[in-house]
Amino acid sequence: DVKVTQSSRYLVKRTGEKVFLECVQDMDHENMFWYRQDPGLGLRLIYFSYDVKMKEKGDIPEGYSVSREKKERFSLILESASTNQTSMYLCASSLSSPLHFGNGTRLTVT
Amino acid sequence: AQRVTQPEKLLSVFKGAPVELKCNYSYSGSPELFWYVQYSRQRLQLLLRHISRESIKGFTADLNKGETSFHLKKPFAQEEDSVMYYCALTIGMRFGAGTRLTVKP
Repeated sequence: DVKVTQSSRYLVKRTGEKVFLECVQDMDHENMFWYRQDPGLGLRLIYFSYDVKMKEKGDIPEGYSVSREKKERFSLILESASTNQTSMYLCASSLSSPLHFGNGTRLTVT
Repeated sequence: AQRVTQPEKLLSVFKGAPVELKCNYSYSGSPELFWYVQYSRQRLQLLLRHISRESIKGFTADLNKGETSFHLKKPFAQEEDSVMYYCALTIGMRFGAGTRLTVKP
C-alpha cells in the first residue's frame, strides 16, 4: 500500500517566518503534488513535480516555492508566511493516476 | 484550461432516497475522471474512476462527453455516506470545490 507521509499534522507559525512542509512517499512515484484545501474552495493545486529537480506551477503558486532534490521527497516552502496562507495543505503522489494523499498539515499563521 | 465544477457545496437527502452529486468538467480532449471521498479526519481516498465502470459502495458514475459531466449516483443513500466528495480531472490533476453530502435518518 502506498504511503505518503507529511511530517507535521499541525503547525503554528508567525507572520513573516519561512515555513517548510515536508512530504515523503515510499512507492517510487514520479509525480508529486501540493494542494491547499479550504472550505468552499476545494483543493487548489499549488505546485507539482514530474521528476527530480523538476517543478511546475499550479493554479496558486504565489507566495510558495518547492524543492524536489530526491524522488521520494517533495517540500513546500512558504518564503514569508502570511495569515492568508492559513490552510490545510495536502501532498499527493502518483505513478500515473490516481493520486495517493497524505494526511495533511494544518498550518496556522498568526 | 482544465476546470472541474461541482455546483452543490451542500446536498441533503433522506436515508433510502436516491442521490446524485453533480460534476461538470471543461477539457477538449478525452478526459479521465475520478471521484474521491474524504471521511472525517482521514486522508482523501479514491472512490471510483470512470474507466473502470465499477460500482463502489453502491455508487456509480458515468462519463457523459456530450454534457461534459461525470455525476456520482447511488440509488439508496445510507447514513454512512455522509461525507465530503470531490470530483477530479486527471489532466492537470484539477479538483472541484467538493460537495458535502448529508443523509438524514
